[in-house]
Amino acid sequence: RKEVEQDPGPFNVPEGATVAFNCTYSNSASQSFFWYRQDCRKEPKLLMSVYSSGNEDGRFTAQLNRASQYISLLIRDSKLSDSATYLCVVNDGYNFNKFYFGSGTKLNVKP
Amino acid sequence: GAVVSQHPSWVICKSGTSVKIECRSLDFQATTMFWYRQFPKQSLMLMATSNEGSKATYEQGVEKDKFLINHASLTLSTLTVTSAHPEDSSFYICSARVGGLSYNEQFFGPGTRLTVL
Repeated sequence: RKEVEQDPGPFNVPEGATVAFNCTYSNSASQSFFWYRQDCRKEPKLLMSVYSSGNEDGRFTAQLNRASQYISLLIRDSKLSDSATYLCVVNDGYNFNKFYFGSGTKLNVKP
Repeated sequence: GAVVSQHPSWVICKSGTSVKIECRSLDFQATTMFWYRQFPKQSLMLMATSNEGSKATYEQGVEKDKFLINHASLTLSTLTVTSAHPEDSSFYICSARVGGLSYNEQFFGPGTRLTVL
């Protein structure tokens, strides 16, 4: 079983829609969780860090469910510029030099 | 967020030559940096973890004699692809870790696109 699993998508949504991605992780000791966005042929950029139950930044909300071992990313009022691949990253709870990457969820926001 | 730079941003070289890529943390000190490789339409693949002042830890399947990593200071790690071949053509990305137990994040450099002819 992979350490971090994501639905690869693509999620095709119209502008203005609300879209949510889930990410499941297998290591119950993990304490740090991250969402990155990666544009085509670019490096990943940190979108949000989650250390407790969740985090919110403008149109973006991340929620952590430790009991079910998943984190979600909700994007409200989608913009064309939100089109990207969203990577879920989970830190190993015992080794803070160890990060597990999901394979990414592709989002296409259409006009 | 913390800023990580990478140089060069792209390089084209002939088969058999060596290429050095630099990764710098610009506004913080990074005891740990990571080197990744990404092929088109694929996920990031961790190649090695680079610790300042000690030998890098390579992932399974990554040849340490081919991909030489040096992390001589708290702000600079280098990756040298030795005797590069066309199959080494890829997008190489470094990252630096910031923080400790309660706060621990990775920031990525802009990447280096290597093309080996």
